[in-house]
Amino acid sequence: AQRVTQPEKLLSVFKGAPVELKCNYSYSGSPELFWYVQYSRQRLQLLLRHISRESIKGFTADLNKGETSFHLKKPFAQEEDSAMYYCALSPYSGGGADGLTFGKGTHLIIQP
Amino acid sequence: ETGVTQSPTHLIKTRGQQVTLRCSSQSGHNTVSWYQQALGQGPQFIFQYYREEENGRGNFPPRFSGLQFPNYSSELNVNALELDDSALYLCASSWGQGGQETQYFGPGTRLLVL
Repeated sequence: AQRVTQPEKLLSVFKGAPVELKCNYSYSGSPELFWYVQYSRQRLQLLLRHISRESIKGFTADLNKGETSFHLKKPFAQEEDSAMYYCALSPYSGGGADGLTFGKGTHLIIQP
Repeated sequence: ETGVTQSPTHLIKTRGQQVTLRCSSQSGHNTVSWYQQALGQGPQFIFQYYREEENGRGNFPPRFSGLQFPNYSSELNVNALELDDSALYLCASSWGQGGQETQYFGPGTRLLVL
């Protein structure tokens, strides 16, 4: 069965500092990886997915199949980045659905 | 464009009772997935409905059941409630079956079982 690990429950950095939220996964096939974000009092929303290779709000994430990682990075943190971040994996590759497998989340706090 | 809505927002039940949670999918979406999020955990996949049929299921017992209607709205039913069923229940809609489509989440229903 697939698994997503986010080793940091809480990450606190100063405004303007670089941010890296770690995500490791275990899955034998070719997964689709996502980062979801939940700002205070808002619903869970997609931040980015690896297949689109986009940079959203200055965040990027690279899928490293060798290290089975999908770390989220931003070079200069902003106060509005404070939120709960979830890494998620979809194992589906055809027929049926296994849904998304989420990590436990990392609470990112950006200090002024 | 209307986003995903869920009702009710909060619910208190006692052990052994039954509960029904409702979800309206985002307009244009034909797939609904349900997740359970316990305190301090990430969401956990319960099941997915695609065109009114259950399309996939996570590791949840049969007392968790669902329905999807022709307008693609959905219900989650939980029978014989247990204390551990206390959680936030999230509904997500998407276009197309499978987990690789982008899923759009509702605000959730918080269930407390006493």
